[in-house]
Amino acid sequence: QVQLVQSGAEVKKPGASVKVSCKASGYSFTSFAIDWVRQAPGQGLEWMGWIHAGTGDTKFSQKFQGRVTITRDTSASTAYMELRSLRYEDTAVYYCARDAPGDLDYWGQGTLVTVSS
Amino acid sequence: SYVLTQAPSVSVAPGKTARITCGGNNIGSKSVHWYQQKPGQAPVLVIYYDGDRPSGIPERFSGSNSGNTATLTISRVEAGDEADYYCQVWDNSSDHVVFGGGTKLSV
Repeated sequence: QVQLVQSGAEVKKPGASVKVSCKASGYSFTSFAIDWVRQAPGQGLEWMGWIHAGTGDTKFSQKFQGRVTITRDTSASTAYMELRSLRYEDTAVYYCARDAPGDLDYWGQGTLVTVSS
Repeated sequence: SYVLTQAPSVSVAPGKTARITCGGNNIGSKSVHWYQQKPGQAPVLVIYYDGDRPSGIPERFSGSNSGNTATLTISRVEAGDEADYYCQVWDNSSDHVVFGGGTKLSV
């Protein structure tokens, strides 16, 4: 069965960086893209960007352009999202999701990133 | 950039039909996907490509899309359907995924 398993919760100081991993199993990793979506406390879903696991092509929300990097390791079937220059308002649950394409058909369990001094 | 508009909340009695709408400029020309999210859980895809249901999603969930409005319809609503529901499209002009603001369904 398709599974996306994310790394554990993180606490970071303002200005630091965080890197979240998303390990895929149960399907051909390089045949699909992985999207990253975040959700601030009590707020809605916000799309951050996307990587095609086969080609490595990426697309980012303009809001995060220049501050986010999405990569993948095909040998480990794992995608990564790094967010730099963290601010208090980056406190959120970060999700990875398989792009079917178009719809996001499988989601990771989420990773809570807390930005606190 | 493309904007999707959802009502913040919808309330429905058990056994009745809930309709959750998602408004967008000429949204009928796009493919709309719907997600259900319960507190503390990751979103779950309930409708894709306007009206298709993933395996395991009850037939009570259906979707339609025309003009400037897409609609998620939940028939014979149960207490377990209480959740936040989000619509989503791919915006070709910006190459971005776009989510609606979400609708909280109270049963």
